[in-house]
Formats: sequence, C-alpha cells, structure tokens
Amino acid sequence: NAGVTQTPKFQVLKTGQSMTLQCAQDMNHNSMYWYRQDPGMGLRLIYYSASEGTTDKGEVPNGYNVSRLNKREFSLRLESAAPSQTSVYFCASSEGPSQGGNQPQHFGDGTRLSIL
Amino acid sequence: DAKTTQPTSMDCAEGRAANLPCNHSTISGNEYVYWYRQIHSQGPQYIIHGLKNNETNEMASLIITEDRKSSTLILPHATLRDTAVYYCIVNTGNQFYFGTGTSLTVIP
Repeated sequence: NAGVTQTPKFQVLKTGQSMTLQCAQDMNHNSMYWYRQDPGMGLRLIYYSASEGTTDKGEVPNGYNVSRLNKREFSLRLESAAPSQTSVYFCASSEGPSQGGNQPQHFGDGTRLSIL
Repeated sequence: DAKTTQPTSMDCAEGRAANLPCNHSTISGNEYVYWYRQIHSQGPQYIIHGLKNNETNEMASLIITEDRKSSTLILPHATLRDTAVYYCIVNTGNQFYFGTGTSLTVIP
C-alpha cells in the first residue's frame, strides 16, 4: 500500500536554482495538497488542487508554482530557490470536494529541502 | 490567525490514559475537528475526526463539547510509541489549519 509517494526524499540546492518536487497517490483521490513545515512549527498550506484540472493558492503560495499533471500526480516547482524556502515539504491527498470537511487527508513522508 | 489552541507539551505515564485538550472557540457549524500526530518529522498520521458527536476508533476517542468550542483527544492506554506531536485541526473544507501542536511524552 504505497499511499502518497514523494520524490526526492532529500535535496540540496543553491540559491537561484530551480527544482520540481514530485507527488503521486494511488488511492484514486480527487484532491491533492502541498504543505511546508518549518522547524518547530505546524504545516502550512502552499497550494491545493480540489480536483483534476484545478489549482488554488493556500496560505503561503509566493515563490511556488504547481501542476496537476493528472488525477494521480501533483508537482510543486521552485523557479528560483531562496534560503527562506528551506523546509520540509509534504504532499497530501483526500477524496474530494463532494465530501466537504468530512474527509481525512493522507500525507506522504516528505521532502527535506535545503537551499544554500 | 490560529484556529486552535493547544498546550505546548504534556507528559503521560505509560499505560495510563492521555487526555489532550484543544480549544477552537471560533469554529463554524460545518467545520470538522481533526486530530493528527507526527512522529520524528514523518508525515502526519490521521487519528480521528468529528463534527458534533463523540467519536471512537481503534486508536483513540474524541470528545467534543456541546458548544463545539473545545475537544479532547483520549489515548486510552498510552505506550512509548505514542510519543509524538499531536495536532488539533479545524477543517474548513479545502484547508487544514495546523497550529504548533502538543508534544506528548509517554514516560516509562
């Protein structure tokens, strides 16, 4: 049972480099999410995709772009990485908007990203 | 703006019940309360959720006050593997709002 798979698990970038974080889910979920977690803090939503073909900004979208490639995959792109984007990035998925708030999100194990 | 308030840390003796409180005084009528935990910076693990009624599953029980302004997560028999950060979350539909959580330490 893979659930939500994130790649890579670790990455070190230099300031100004670009990078795409990959996320795939095998639960046939409609909604997918990207969060970041800074040390000692809870997760903050960057972007989400309520259903295939749609994306929306979350709490902290600046400096990021997303692509919902298909129902399974949702990628997060850093076009020009900055040290302030050093964080742990988590992807999650849930059944979809029809469930309203009655739908748990299932999380991947994260990508640990350091920007020098 | 924080939607939930939790104590920063708590201790619990192994084998005893762990009761983790959460205040969510601004919760709206259609917003669910969720509990997740995170161990060693792994991905958050779903525990339980509810709207109005108390809920129980194989992991825990969730007690929601009648006015829905607070809730308590109960781990009935805490083990060392329950040591983690526990997050109380209000789900607005598309967005989970994580606070800083409660760091629970289960003591042998």
